[in-house]
Amino acid sequence: GENVEQHPSTLSVQEGDSAVIKCTYSDSASNYFPWYKQELGKGPQLIIDIRSNVGEKKDQRIAVTLNKTAKHFSLHITETQPEDSAVYFCAASIRGGYQKVTFGTGTKLQVIP
Amino acid sequence: GAVVSQHPSWVICKSGTSVKIECRSLDFQATTMFWYRQFPKQSLMLMATSNEGSKATYEQGVEKDKFLINHASLTLSTLTVTSAHPEDSSFYICSASPGGGLSYEQYFGPGTRLTVT
Repeated sequence: GENVEQHPSTLSVQEGDSAVIKCTYSDSASNYFPWYKQELGKGPQLIIDIRSNVGEKKDQRIAVTLNKTAKHFSLHITETQPEDSAVYFCAASIRGGYQKVTFGTGTKLQVIP
Repeated sequence: GAVVSQHPSWVICKSGTSVKIECRSLDFQATTMFWYRQFPKQSLMLMATSNEGSKATYEQGVEKDKFLINHASLTLSTLTVTSAHPEDSSFYICSASPGGGLSYEQYFGPGTRLTVT
């Protein structure tokens, strides 16, 4: 089955700096890569996603890149703010009749004011 | 749009009793719903996938008779933890996918904190 690795497990940045979280996946059939933000005691919230036919996607301060050949994808947050502090999960899935999402291990991001 | 609710948000029960958790898609129809379990400071682990009107598909290692899943309608799925024990204490999260397997996105509920005493 699919295996998703995520690094780093914790990340502290100063407010205004950029944060980068990296993930690798194992199943070359995976074609959808969402990123989720989870605040304490809440469910994950989809913040951005990318499909296998796209190499990069940006939404305001958040961007995601995908390298299918190397099987890795990354989340980039620019101009970080204290409210960006949360746990971020990458995930990989295969669009199809049985859509199963495999999550990475999570990155706890702390933005220091 | 794409709002998923869970009820209750937290529950405390005694060992040996059963607990039911509801997951509802509020503004879309969800052919497929998923149930996850999350331990503190850990990632989400998929427990089972439920499709409306059919039996749930459980992940390896998840006891079907202990975690009963019912997907009675396109907007409601329930998870019943039967004969709960302290080791079942966890954060249970559901998600719903509009369009089932034809859709990429999953939208998550806020989670249910279960504590078994």
